[in-house]
Amino acid sequence: AQSVTQLDSQVPVFEEAPVELRCNYSSSVSVYLFWYVQYPNQGLQLLLKYLSGSTLVKGINGFEAEFNKSQTSFHLRKPSVHISDTAEYFCAVSSRGAGNKLTFGGGTRVLVKP
Amino acid sequence: EAGVTQFPSHSVIEKGQTVTLRCDPISGHDNLYWYRRVMGKEIKFLLHFVKESKQDESGMPNNRFLAERTGGTYSTLKVQPAELEDSGVYFCASSRAGTGDEKLFFGSGTQLSVL
Repeated sequence: AQSVTQLDSQVPVFEEAPVELRCNYSSSVSVYLFWYVQYPNQGLQLLLKYLSGSTLVKGINGFEAEFNKSQTSFHLRKPSVHISDTAEYFCAVSSRGAGNKLTFGGGTRVLVKP
Repeated sequence: EAGVTQFPSHSVIEKGQTVTLRCDPISGHDNLYWYRRVMGKEIKFLLHFVKESKQDESGMPNNRFLAERTGGTYSTLKVQPAELEDSGVYFCASSRAGTGDEKLFFGSGTQLSVL
């Protein structure tokens, strides 16, 4: 069984400030890790994913995440946010070989303030 | 290229009624997934089609839910009879055939409210 915990349900942040969204996971098998973003009235969109290799993963829109196996974490960061980053962010895992059968965290709402 | 399309975007029905949700995946995508987010909870996997075959339906909550994908194109998810706890957002997603880690494209969801 797998589980994903997003430690913050809401994160308010000022424009041009950095943001970090925390994600911890639990799994008895090797996993792939994902971050998705949902903008208002839209579907989920893949920000980045970790399959293997370098633990620092760069994604779209200036986001990056670091896989830490010992801490079972996959935190998402952006050094300077924009108003347009206001959205809900989801961390997810899938078992290697399970394709896109994803286990999601509860989501983190980011509100960027001017 | 058209994205994943879901109909309707919103549906309000009474307990005991039947509702059918439709998903049109991206053309050529063999894999089609249904997910659901009940209010305040995580998004949860419901089932996975490969073409017209159900690959994994381990997430379907009970036998009131029936998913089909006739001809391997669009898919429908029928809830009959609907219960209050079925309220939530139903997402459909699709991906190309491959080794399993192909990029997943999501629709914008159907918001289902059962009163």
